[in-house]
Amino acid sequence: AVQLVESGGGLVQPKESMKISCAASGFTFSNAAMYWVRQAPGKGLEWVARIRTKPNNYETSYADSVKGRFTISRDDSKTMVYLQMDNLKTEDTAMYYCTAAPMLNTGNWFTYWGQGTLVTVSS
Amino acid sequence: DIVMTQTPSSQAVSAGEKVTMSCKSSQSLLYNENKKNYLAWYQQKPGQSPKLLIYWASTRESGVPDRFIGSGSGTDFTLTISSVQAEDLAVYYCQQYYNFPLTFGSGTKLEIK
Repeated sequence: AVQLVESGGGLVQPKESMKISCAASGFTFSNAAMYWVRQAPGKGLEWVARIRTKPNNYETSYADSVKGRFTISRDDSKTMVYLQMDNLKTEDTAMYYCTAAPMLNTGNWFTYWGQGTLVTVSS
Repeated sequence: DIVMTQTPSSQAVSAGEKVTMSCKSSQSLLYNENKKNYLAWYQQKPGQSPKLLIYWASTRESGVPDRFIGSGSGTDFTLTISSVQAEDLAVYYCQQYYNFPLTFGSGTKLEIK
């Protein structure tokens, strides 16, 4: 069965950094584009970042709200994806979901979702 | 950025009834080269992660009940639940993947009377 398990969330102060992780299993990870989508408490969904596959040079894309502060990366050997978050702001407080678009996806929709990890930015 | 507008923001229906919800995009999601609409629908039940229901505006994801029907083209899309069940209590989101940034609608909350 497909599993995406996020970890590393918690409480962090504004302007600090945090790195969250996602462990993937049950599908061919190296063939899947990986994404982070977040949801502020009681709010809707917001796409955050994408990383493509090795044949696509691990190309990355970011939402304007996080560009220059967040970095998505992946380790195909460990089937892991990461989100390094720097200079955090209170408005980054959200549940962060790891999502995947397996090889059969020919578009950027989110087929698989993790349970999320909560990041709270507060002093 | 493509803005996705969902209406209504919430609605309440009785089990067995048909329900429709709308999603409009600020620009066409129809890609002329392949004649496909770059739109997906998700269901998020209380306390759960979102779940993919439909992609390419009308293709049901494997395992999704056939009472969930996606339709529309261009800028106007609809999600229909032909006969609502109690377990359909959820917020429904549309998402465009025509271009980046990927954007979602604000959601339609479905309540069961």
